[in-house]
Amino acid sequence: DAGITQSPRYKITETGRQVTLMCHQTWSHSYMFWYRQDLGHGLRLIYYSAAADITDKGEVPDGYVVSRSKTENFPLTLESATRSQTSVYFCASQGAGDNSPLHFGNGTRLTVT
Amino acid sequence: GQQLNQSPQSMFIQEGEDVSMNCTSSSIFNTWLWYKQDPGEGPVLLIALYKAGELTSNGRLTAQFGITRKDSFLNISASIPSDVGIYFCAGGRGSARQLTFGSGTQLTVLP
Repeated sequence: DAGITQSPRYKITETGRQVTLMCHQTWSHSYMFWYRQDLGHGLRLIYYSAAADITDKGEVPDGYVVSRSKTENFPLTLESATRSQTSVYFCASQGAGDNSPLHFGNGTRLTVT
Repeated sequence: GQQLNQSPQSMFIQEGEDVSMNCTSSSIFNTWLWYKQDPGEGPVLLIALYKAGELTSNGRLTAQFGITRKDSFLNISASIPSDVGIYFCAGGRGSARQLTFGSGTQLTVLP
C-alpha cells in the first residue's frame, strides 16, 4: 500500500551517540517534514524539505541534521544525542498544492539515556 | 515563535454528549486545520479551513475559522467511544505548509 513509513518505531540510545531516524513515502510528494511531539508542546517543526536536495530549518532545528538525496526518503540524524531529544518524532509528507493535507507517519519514540 | 493556545487541555464526557474545543492566537493565520491523533499513531486530518468565517462540517464534526483569523473552534456532536484521542489545531501562514500546532486536547468518552 502507498503511504508514509517511519523506522524504527522505538529506539533507545545513549547520550552522545549518533542516531538516524528513517522516513519513506511512496506518494512522490514534494514536501517532507520532521516534527517532534512533547507533552505540553504539541508538534514542533524541526526541518522540512521542498524537494530533493532542498532542506530548511523549522522551529527547533538545533542538534539535528537532515538530508534529501531522493524524493521518497527524508532521514533525520541526531549527531550527538542529548536527553532533551527524548521525544516522539513524526515524519510527514505533503503534495505540491499549497493546501494539500499533511500525511503523517506513525512516529518513532526515541529515548536518550 | 508563534503560539497557539488550545483549550481545554483535557475533557471527560459521557457518550452522547456534545464537545467543543478551541484555539486562539495573538497572530493571524490564513489556514486553520484540525487533526486527531489515536494512541501510537500519527495525526490524521479531520477538517481544513481556508477562509475567515468559514464553517465546515465532516459528519459529526463542525469547525469554524474565526472572522478575526486568530481563532478556530471544533465541535463534535453526539460523541461516541471512538472519538477518544488527542485533537490538535494547527494554523498556517500563506498556505498549509509550516504549520504551528496547538498543544492538544485529550478527549475521553465515558460509556
